[in-house]
Amino acid sequence: AQSVTQPDIHITVSEGASLELRCNYSYGATPYLFWYVQSPGQGLQLLLKYFSGDTLVQGIKGFEAEFKRSQSSFNLRKPSVHWSDAAEYFCAVGAPGANNLFFGTGTRLTVIP
Amino acid sequence: ETGVTQSPTHLIKTRGQQVTLRCSSQSGHNTVSWYQQALGQGPQFIFQYYREEENGRGNFPPRFSGLQFPNYSSELNVNALELDDSALYLCASSLGSGGVSGANVLTFGAGSRLTVL
Repeated sequence: AQSVTQPDIHITVSEGASLELRCNYSYGATPYLFWYVQSPGQGLQLLLKYFSGDTLVQGIKGFEAEFKRSQSSFNLRKPSVHWSDAAEYFCAVGAPGANNLFFGTGTRLTVIP
Repeated sequence: ETGVTQSPTHLIKTRGQQVTLRCSSQSGHNTVSWYQQALGQGPQFIFQYYREEENGRGNFPPRFSGLQFPNYSSELNVNALELDDSALYLCASSLGSGGVSGANVLTFGAGSRLTVL
């Protein structure tokens, strides 16, 4: 069975500081991995995805994520956070050929001036 | 291109009632998935529709049902509402054969927030 763990419920960073949001997944083979962002009153927006190939994936808004098979992790990073990055971030895993995604419980990011 | 639109945005029902939520998929997308997001939780897969047929279902009882129409829009119906059905219901559209793949990136709507009293 697939599952996703986001160990940090809430993270607070200062504007301009670097950010890393953790995601660990459980799946027997190489899964498809995603990071989505959800702002209040909005749906989920895809930040980036990993299917295969280069383990460092670039996304929108300056985000990147690295797939580490040995650690079953897919952590999201950003070198310099902007106030507009404050939102809820969800990591998700999907099995190749399947028709659904499994989401983590999310990490809420607060950005302080 | 238009994105995924959902209606209504908010609604309040009482226990035992029935509700219908609607979703228009993104232009060009032929697959629709529905997710339930309870407060403080991540979205949970309800079911997916492809070619007007249910194409996979999560761990939800039969009182959750759906439809997909020829124009790829979709409805989610929930009968005999329970208090625990209070949640944000998200519709997502995608293009492909219904499987999660490089061709199937989900585009989500803003959701319908259902409150059951």
